[in-house]
Amino acid sequence: QKEVEQNSGPLSVPEGAIASLNCTYSDRVSQSFFWYRQYSGKSPELIMSIYSNGDKEDGRFTAQLNKASQYVSLLIRDSQPSDSATYLCAVNRQGGSEKLVFGKGTKLTVNP
Amino acid sequence: KAGVTQTPRYLIKTRGQQVTLSCSPISGHRSVSWYQQTPGQGLQFLFEYFSETQRNKGNFPGRFSGRQFSNSRSEMNVSTLELGDSALYLCASSLAGGEETQYFGPGTRLLVL
Repeated sequence: QKEVEQNSGPLSVPEGAIASLNCTYSDRVSQSFFWYRQYSGKSPELIMSIYSNGDKEDGRFTAQLNKASQYVSLLIRDSQPSDSATYLCAVNRQGGSEKLVFGKGTKLTVNP
Repeated sequence: KAGVTQTPRYLIKTRGQQVTLSCSPISGHRSVSWYQQTPGQGLQFLFEYFSETQRNKGNFPGRFSGRQFSNSRSEMNVSTLELGDSALYLCASSLAGGEETQYFGPGTRLLVL
């Protein structure tokens, strides 16, 4: 099992819909979880970080974390064409040899 | 506050050559991490430096090395380049590492011919 897994997509949603992006991780001691957005040809930019079980909302974005199920998700409400990008889930393995372990990303397309 | 900067932005090299990439972290950030991004493998961790010391290392051959200077600027070096080293090399900085958020630079796109 890969350490951080994401559906590769592509995920296509109409403008105004809710986009749901999912991520599972294998290391139970993981403490910190991040969602990055990466536009084609650009570097990743941080959208959300979440450290505790439950939901965390920031504008149109909501991150959800369930440590028991080793699952983290990102919901994008009222999706816009400008949200079209690849979304990377990253998990911090404090104490391991790698600082941040990334999933391979889910490509999201929001259709006008 | 200025973001993470990386130079050069683009680089073309031939097999067998070596290359040095530079990264200047956000002012006040002392931790610098390097990642390699390829379409097939995604983002993979290379190494992390904090206070001029390598604190973590990923699973890459010894041809990949790095260092950090007293002003927190970091360089990474790849010797004896191979075609498979063609990738986007990303640098990320954080205040002190640990569980803190990392902020990425624009990356250096390396093409090995």
